[in-house]
Amino acid sequence: GNSVTQMEGPVTLSEEAFLTINCTYTATGYPSLFWYVQYPGEGLQLLLKATKADDKGSNKGFEATYRKETTSFHLEKGSVQVSDSAVYFCALRNYGQNFVFGPGTRLSVLP
Amino acid sequence: EAGVAQSPRYKIIEKRQSVAFWCNPISGHATLYWYQQILGQGPKLLIQFQNNGVVDDSQLPKDRFSAERLKGVDSTLKIQPAKLEDSAVYLCASSPISLYEQYFGPGTRLTVT
Repeated sequence: GNSVTQMEGPVTLSEEAFLTINCTYTATGYPSLFWYVQYPGEGLQLLLKATKADDKGSNKGFEATYRKETTSFHLEKGSVQVSDSAVYFCALRNYGQNFVFGPGTRLSVLP
Repeated sequence: EAGVAQSPRYKIIEKRQSVAFWCNPISGHATLYWYQQILGQGPKLLIQFQNNGVVDDSQLPKDRFSAERLKGVDSTLKIQPAKLEDSAVYLCASSPISLYEQYFGPGTRLTVT
């Protein structure tokens, strides 16, 4: 079946540090890949997505590239801010099927 | 555009009691989802509606959980009777067409004691 694995958190960084959150997946076919963010007390929000191999999704300074050869979709940001503190979920969706979410990675950014 | 609304935001009940959660999706969204998010885990789909019909309820524990979307708009998820392991955040999401981008509500945090 389809599954998503993320690096364990929590991840604690200082403001302006470089961020990488690893995500790898197992799926048949060619799934679409997503990153969702959940701020404290709120629901999940779509951060970025990529629908085919080598696509790069980007939003709010975050980027992730769909790497089919390594089945990965790592999230990166060059300079994090305190306001980026949240839980980040990697997810996939195969054609005709529903979303499968990873367990989430909590990010804390210190001033 | 108003987002997905859920109520209540928090609920504390004792085991074996009943509880119901309400969700109002974004206007015009035909597809509605209920997810269970246990602490430290990603959301797990419980049930998906397309208008007022069930598309997928394969992971819904039907001996105690039920859900309805009678008029194809708002929806209610019920647990009867609740168990300790039902403690979680219950998220509702909607999308305009099945399997397109989902928009999530703030969730209902349920604590079963």
